[in-house]
Formats: sequence, structure tokens, C-alpha cells
Amino acid sequence: EAGVVQSPRYKIIEKKQPVAFWCNPISGHNTLYWYLQNLGQGPELLIRYENEEAVDDSQLPKDRFSAERLKGVDSTLKIQPAELGDSAVYLCASSLGIAGPANEQFFGPGTRLTVL
Amino acid sequence: DAKTTQPPSMDCAEGRAANLPCNHSTISGNEYVYWYRQIHSQGPQYIIHGLKNNETNEMASLIITEDRKSSTLILPHATLRDTAVYYCIVRVLPYSGAGSYQLTFGKGTKLSVIP
Repeated sequence: EAGVVQSPRYKIIEKKQPVAFWCNPISGHNTLYWYLQNLGQGPELLIRYENEEAVDDSQLPKDRFSAERLKGVDSTLKIQPAELGDSAVYLCASSLGIAGPANEQFFGPGTRLTVL
Repeated sequence: DAKTTQPPSMDCAEGRAANLPCNHSTISGNEYVYWYRQIHSQGPQYIIHGLKNNETNEMASLIITEDRKSSTLILPHATLRDTAVYYCIVRVLPYSGAGSYQLTFGKGTKLSVIP
């Protein structure tokens, strides 16, 4: 079974440029999450989706970040314009979306963004 | 969600048991304890979870104290591939809707397994 797929794995851009990250969750997983991980820190949630609906985007910096999950499957996270402080790893995760303790999150390998 | 405290780093000899502690003294009765780990350049990976009773699966064992204020993750025979950052997370689970929930990660414990 394929895991969570993310692309690109690495991205280097200059500040003020736009950038987009793509995530394909595990088949059948209707919940999807985007996390941000700074060096030496644990991941921090940016946004979570239940199907197509963003149910929690309170930690997404909406002035420059946007996300979408059309048709409730793949998702795209965009930054426009990128700033130096956005350099980090962007992780996507998915889960089955069932209520209960066994609803573990499966993470992709992440996209490492470097803003110069 | 309750806050957790973990040592920043630990070493373990290859083949020996690795015991990773976690303090969650403010845990409430309906909060579960989860453990994830993150190997270098990979995303976090689920290990195990528990509420009150000790739990064991193919990866590890989870020992939760009777007062639930602390827990220990045990890797019975650590290998070099177990070198990773281990995160202890405490949270309440949703029991309705689509079941999505936020994982609040701390800095975790960096476990180094030494040959």
C-alpha cells in the first residue's frame, strides 16, 4: 500500500517568490493535515481537512498561505510571497477519519523548503 | 491537551532495552497517551497509544503509571534503525464527526542507539 506522497521533496526559491506543495493522501483517508516543522522542533499544525472542508485553519497565516483540497483527495499548500522565515519542512498527513483512539495519522516524507 | 515533558536526549546500547520516559502530570481522565517517532529526513510515524492499561504491539510497549501522570515507552531490543526523535503526546479524542484531531508535538527525546 502506498503511503502519503508529497512533492517536491526539496525546493529552493528566492524570497518574494511563490511556491506550492502537493500532497496525495493514502487512498480512503478522508482527513488530511498540513504541518510545519522548523529545525529542531516538533511539527506544528497549519490546517486540517475533513473531506473538502477545512475544519481548523486557525494556525494558517492567511496573509500569505493558502490551501485547498478539491474533491476531498489531493491537497495543495501555497505560499505567496515566500519569506526567509518560511524555510522549514512542510509535512502532510492523513488518517481514516473515524472517531476513536485507533485513528492514527500517517505522515509523508515532507517537503524541505529553503528561501534565499 | 495536557502538556508533556521528556528528556531532550538519551543513549542506548544496541540490543538493549530503550526506556523513554514522559511526564504528563496534568493529564485528565479522558486523555490518551500517544507515542510517535521521527527518523531523520522522514515524517513522524505512529508507535503506540494507551489510556490506562499497559499496551504492547510489534514495535514497543507502553507502561502507564497507575495515577497516569507519567508513562514509559519501551523498545525491548533497540537496533540502530531505532535512532530517532520520540514524541510523547497527550490528547482527548473526538468521538463524533470525521474524527480528525490535532497532534501537538513538543521537542521530543532524541534517542541514539550506539553499536
